[in-house]
Amino acid sequence: QSALTQPPSASGSPGQSVTISCTGTSSDVGGYDYVSWYQQHPGKGPKLMIYEVSKRPSGVPDRFSGSKSGNTASLTVSGLQAEDEADYYCSSYAGSNNHVVFGGGTKLTVL
Amino acid sequence: QITLKESGPTLVEPTQTLTLTCTFSGFSLSTTAVGVGWIRQPPGKALEWLALIYWNDDKRYSPSLKSRLTITKDTSKNQVVLTMTNMDPVDTATYYCVHRHTHTNDFWGQGTLVTVSS
Repeated sequence: QSALTQPPSASGSPGQSVTISCTGTSSDVGGYDYVSWYQQHPGKGPKLMIYEVSKRPSGVPDRFSGSKSGNTASLTVSGLQAEDEADYYCSSYAGSNNHVVFGGGTKLTVL
Repeated sequence: QITLKESGPTLVEPTQTLTLTCTFSGFSLSTTAVGVGWIRQPPGKALEWLALIYWNDDKRYSPSLKSRLTITKDTSKNQVVLTMTNMDPVDTATYYCVHRHTHTNDFWGQGTLVTVSS
């Protein structure tokens, strides 16, 4: 059982927007602005898409955006493309003891 | 350009100790705020954080696995080593090495699949 809660699946048609949630507690998501999102295609390693809640690494399309409200972080993918179909994982800093926590992952399907 | 690569056995027997090595380039583990960590992913399952070591030799472990894990670094060789004792079939997973900066795992190795079986 993962520390952060994500919906197991999400879907949208090409061109649409989809939002994936990531719910934690005040000890992780709600307590720090260190939420990251990772994209993982089948058979591949994870790729950083969003860090520090809403920042995008160089090379990540601006169709990907992140936000946070209270203990819940969100990843929004706008203008869905076929290549966005993948698993998405959230992660948060959780203080000096637990340190790093992950969500259970969300499978995004582009219909 | 930051790269990391994991190496170690692909098959270990139950109760054995697993030793994995992460060899990296493009950064120094003596640079302030930099860390190298390990994350694993059982087949078809979610990511699980295991351990981290920072530039100042501060070490952090997953509370649920702390008793079985040891992480060390060799700054001169640009390597980080993870040992996990008493391996069990449930530890079968792809093990990833990551570069960490400002609480973000920003660069990942390709991963190495470790199977625990007799």
